[in-house]
Amino acid sequence: AQTVTQSQPEMSVQEAETVTLSCTYDTSESNYYLFWYKQPPSRQMILVIRQEAYKQQNATENRFSVNFQKAAKSFSLKISDSQLGDTAMYFCAFKPSGTYKYIFGTGTRLKVLA
Amino acid sequence: DAGVIQSPRHEVTEMGQEVTLRCKPISGHNSLFWYRQTMMRGLELLIYFNNNVPIDDSGMPEDRFSAKMPNASFSTLKIQPSEPRDSAVYFCASSLGSGGYNEQFFGPGTRLTVL
Repeated sequence: AQTVTQSQPEMSVQEAETVTLSCTYDTSESNYYLFWYKQPPSRQMILVIRQEAYKQQNATENRFSVNFQKAAKSFSLKISDSQLGDTAMYFCAFKPSGTYKYIFGTGTRLKVLA
Repeated sequence: DAGVIQSPRHEVTEMGQEVTLRCKPISGHNSLFWYRQTMMRGLELLIYFNNNVPIDDSGMPEDRFSAKMPNASFSTLKIQPSEPRDSAVYFCASSLGSGGYNEQFFGPGTRLTVL
């Protein structure tokens, strides 16, 4: 079975510091996609960043970047220069190529401290 | 675009009552998803529509749950009769296509409380 594991239920970081959220997944697929979604207190899920498994280069979106280690099946999210607005629940998600179904992790609750 | 619209944002009802949740996907999107989020089970896919046709309803918990998509701009999720264990946040999401890299855009969710 395909699974996504987020081993850090809660984390905190000081404003302007850097934090890394971990995510590992288990699959026998060779082609797939990985996503990080953010769910702030407003509840709405927002895409933060995504990565195609066949691309070796790590995706970057402004202050957000990933460390994708395909062999280790690891997909961590790094947030640089943390801001108060980054306080949210972060979900890692996996989607095999050609399918519609996301497999979500259980989430990491991140709190940015002033 | 206004994004995915869901109504109501909050619903409180009593056990046994019928509940209808509504969703308007982003215009032009042909894939629509209903999810349920609880502390115990996380995010679960309930049903997936493609071009208004239900493709996968294997996540619908039981016959009390039903979903329809009468046209490309509207979908409903109905629970009849509702039970306290149905209390959760229900999300609707839409995307242009469903495979590959396509981002799913989520609505703000409906928080359902069944007393």
